[in-house]
Amino acid sequence: SQQGEEDPQALSIQEGENATMNCSYKTSINNLQWYRQNSGRGLVHLILIRSNEREKHSGRLRVTLDTSKKSSSLLITASRAADTASYFCAKYGRLYNQGGKLIFGQGTELSVKP
Amino acid sequence: DAGVIQSPRHEVTEMGQEVTLRCKPISGHDYLFWYRQTMMRGLELLIYFNNNVPIDDSGMPEDRFSAKMPNASFSTLKIQPSEPRDSAVYFCASSFTGGPVSAPGELFFGEGSRLTVL
Repeated sequence: SQQGEEDPQALSIQEGENATMNCSYKTSINNLQWYRQNSGRGLVHLILIRSNEREKHSGRLRVTLDTSKKSSSLLITASRAADTASYFCAKYGRLYNQGGKLIFGQGTELSVKP
Repeated sequence: DAGVIQSPRHEVTEMGQEVTLRCKPISGHDYLFWYRQTMMRGLELLIYFNNNVPIDDSGMPEDRFSAKMPNASFSTLKIQPSEPRDSAVYFCASSFTGGPVSAPGELFFGEGSRLTVL
């Protein structure tokens, strides 16, 4: 399978709460990216974290990367109804033969209730 | 820039027919990717190109699928003959690295082509 492991598969929270999504992977990575997909739309890039970085912020988003545990987390603080979407992590392989292969996880479906 | 442009947005066809999906990447981007998204299998990478050259087509499900990139501004994904199990949303994405083959960054996705094969 090309998919990695993400959890939870679905998350339902109230507006104002924080949402945390996790992503795990098996092989070494060059970078890990998070994307968002609104229903019926294409994916939109949120943030990229490189293998030598541990944490990155962008507005209300915080991404962490733990290469020893081969995992990453996306935290959305003070969530809004407009944050309702599916969130995907995408892993970029480091092996020489992985080239430009960006592999997406199964995604977390986030629902933020007003 | 207009972003990645895909056509058609929706296609309904009958089993056995040929389907051609089109993609115009963002000007100047050197990577182009074709993904397929279904509820059951999620997002699958079908094939990707670097500087118009196919690099990895190991995700192409069968010989019925073929992809071309005749120039830097156009790519096609063709299914011939189509089958009901090919029904999915097909996404094209492009990226710019300007560097080594092993380092693409952010992908820019089109809005997708929703294919229904009856």
